[in-house]
Amino acid sequence: GEDVEQSLFLSVREGDSSVINCTYTDSSSTYLYWYKQEPGAGLQLLTYIFSNMDMKQDQRLTVLLNKKDKHLSLRIADTQTGDSAIYFCAEARGNDYKLSFGAGTTVTVRA
Amino acid sequence: NAGVMQNPRHLVRRRGQEARLRCSPVKGHSHVYWYRQLPEEGLKFMVYLQKENIIDESGMPKERFSAEFPKEGPSILRIQQVVRGDSAAYFCASSPQSGNTEAFFGQGTRLTVV
Repeated sequence: GEDVEQSLFLSVREGDSSVINCTYTDSSSTYLYWYKQEPGAGLQLLTYIFSNMDMKQDQRLTVLLNKKDKHLSLRIADTQTGDSAIYFCAEARGNDYKLSFGAGTTVTVRA
Repeated sequence: NAGVMQNPRHLVRRRGQEARLRCSPVKGHSHVYWYRQLPEEGLKFMVYLQKENIIDESGMPKERFSAEFPKEGPSILRIQQVVRGDSAAYFCASSPQSGNTEAFFGQGTRLTVV
C-alpha cells in the first residue's frame, strides 16, 4: 500500500468548502506539500507546510497539520468549478528533494 | 507556466523496444528530478540529476533504466527493452536549487507498452 494515503474521490457543491485529507507515516518528514493537477497539465505546487507548524493559510486555502496523528488536510473555501482537479499530498523525508506522494484525490465541483 | 517541457506527451512502444523521454527544465534551473506514476498510485521518486551528474538514483530500477542531464540539451530518461510493467506516466520536475519549494513539474509523458 501507499505510505501516503488519501481518499480517491471528493464531490462538492460550488460555493461549499472542500476538505481533502491525507495521512502519512514518517514522523521525520520535514515538509508536507499539496499539489494540484488539472487535466492535461503538470503538477502545480499549491502550498506547503513545515513540520513545526500546525496551520498555514493562503487566501482560500488552509492547511492543517496534526503531527501526533500524522494527518494533513487541505481546506478550500468557496470552492469554484476551476478547483476541479486531482490533488496530491506529498511528504519530504530527510533530503527535501525526494518526495513521497499519495495517489491523489479527484475533486469534482458540481453546480 | 511555460516552464518544464516534456516530450513526447504520449509514447507507445512494443515490448523489447527502447523508450526515450525528454525533459527540458525551466531556463536557468540546473536540478532535475524524474518521477514515475503507475496506474492508481502516487508518484514515485526515480532519480535526481544536476548538470552532468547523477546525485541520487535510489529510485531507479537496477536494470534497463538510465538517466542523464548533459551540459547542453534536455535531460533524458531512457528505458531499454521495455516491458508491459513499464507502462506509466513519467514526470519531470526542475528547480533552481535542491529542494521542492521552488520545483516546477512538467505535464508528463504517458508511456504505453503494447
